[in-house]
Amino acid sequence: SQKIEQNSEALNIQEGKTATLTCNYTNYSPAYLQWYRQDPGRGPVFLLLIRENEKEKRKERLKVTFDTTLKQSLFHITASQPADSATYLCAPSDSWGKLQFGAGTQVVVTP
Amino acid sequence: GAVVSQHPSWVICKSGTSVKIECRSLDFQATTMFWYRQFPKQSLMLMATSNEGSKATYEQGVEKDKFLINHASLTLSTLTVTSAHPEDSSFYICSAREGGTTDTQYFGPGTRLTVL
Repeated sequence: SQKIEQNSEALNIQEGKTATLTCNYTNYSPAYLQWYRQDPGRGPVFLLLIRENEKEKRKERLKVTFDTTLKQSLFHITASQPADSATYLCAPSDSWGKLQFGAGTQVVVTP
Repeated sequence: GAVVSQHPSWVICKSGTSVKIECRSLDFQATTMFWYRQFPKQSLMLMATSNEGSKATYEQGVEKDKFLINHASLTLSTLTVTSAHPEDSSFYICSAREGGTTDTQYFGPGTRLTVL
């Protein structure tokens, strides 16, 4: 069955450093992959979308890579700030737009 | 842009009653809307996909007679939890997709349902 794996342990990082999150998937060939941020008690907020034919995408301090050979996506937050503290969700999608979510990785940025 | 709202944001009801949750796309027309459920410390689980004007497609294990979905217009979808029981207590979140070449799903803020 399809499986989406993200680091289950919280990532504690000092302000100003780069946070790197991993998303691995198995038994799946997604057409694209989306990353979301979720704060407690709130719905996910869209951050970035990367397609299967794209290697890298950037938006401000965020960068995502997509390696279809390794079946992996990496999500980077550069110059991290305390306001970046949240849970980050990886969601590969099939060509019909059906998302499958990973369990998420909690990021804690300390001043 | 791309704002999705949900109403109510939280609801408490007695066991056996029905609850309706609304999901609206405020500044775009959503050809497809999705309904998810999220239990504490777990990931979002897709319940069903609905396209405007047609019947919803439910995921395996989701009872279509218990979770009624209506997508009557391009900006509104509703989820009705019928004869709710305590085990239906959860965080329900909708998302909307504009369609065409736009693949991004935009999520609502969620509705916390507590069934007593």
